[in-house]
Amino acid sequence: GNSVTQMEGPVTLSEEAFLTINCTYTATGYPSLFWYVQYPGEGLQLLLKATKADDKGSNKGFEATYRKETTSFHLEKGSVQVSDSAVYFCALSDRQGSGGSYIPTFGRGTSLIVHP
Amino acid sequence: SAVISQKPSRDICQRGTSLTIQCQVDSQVTMMFWYRQQPGQSLTLIATANQGSEATYESGFVIDKFPISRPNLTFSTLTVSNMSPEDSSIYLCSVEGTGKSGGYTFGSGTRLTVV
Repeated sequence: GNSVTQMEGPVTLSEEAFLTINCTYTATGYPSLFWYVQYPGEGLQLLLKATKADDKGSNKGFEATYRKETTSFHLEKGSVQVSDSAVYFCALSDRQGSGGSYIPTFGRGTSLIVHP
Repeated sequence: SAVISQKPSRDICQRGTSLTIQCQVDSQVTMMFWYRQQPGQSLTLIATANQGSEATYESGFVIDKFPISRPNLTFSTLTVSNMSPEDSSIYLCSVEGTGKSGGYTFGSGTRLTVV
């Protein structure tokens, strides 16, 4: 079956530091890949996505590149802010069987804490 | 993308009672998903709900405990029945975007505490 593995948190950084959150996946098909962000007390929001190999998703200074050869989709940001403190979820979407629906699979989430 | 209104946003319930969570979508969607997110954990898919058919439950979840209704293409409810403290969690509904690459939109979640 499909699975998503993220680095354990919490990740604690100072403001303006460089961020990397690792994500690797296992999928039977050719999935789309996503990063979601969950701010305290809120639901999940789509942060960025990539649908095919070598695509780079980007949003709000965050980037992730779909690496099929390493089955990875690592999240990066060059300079984090306190307002980036949240939980980040890596996810994939793949079709379930021939003609099936796209069912998402989520990683466990990585908490990011940014200090001033 | 779709906008989802989920309520209640939070509730504190007595053990043995039931709570029904509602999700209203501003557009017609084929599939809706219900998730549970326990403290510090990832999302666990409870079931997938298509309009006009019985929900499909994931392993470990049963209809008697988590009955789901899907009366039309814009609305769904999840009931947490005969609650115990172990049911304390955040419950989220979600709808898929367009096809493989559309991503998923989530409701703001229901934070349930069972005492």
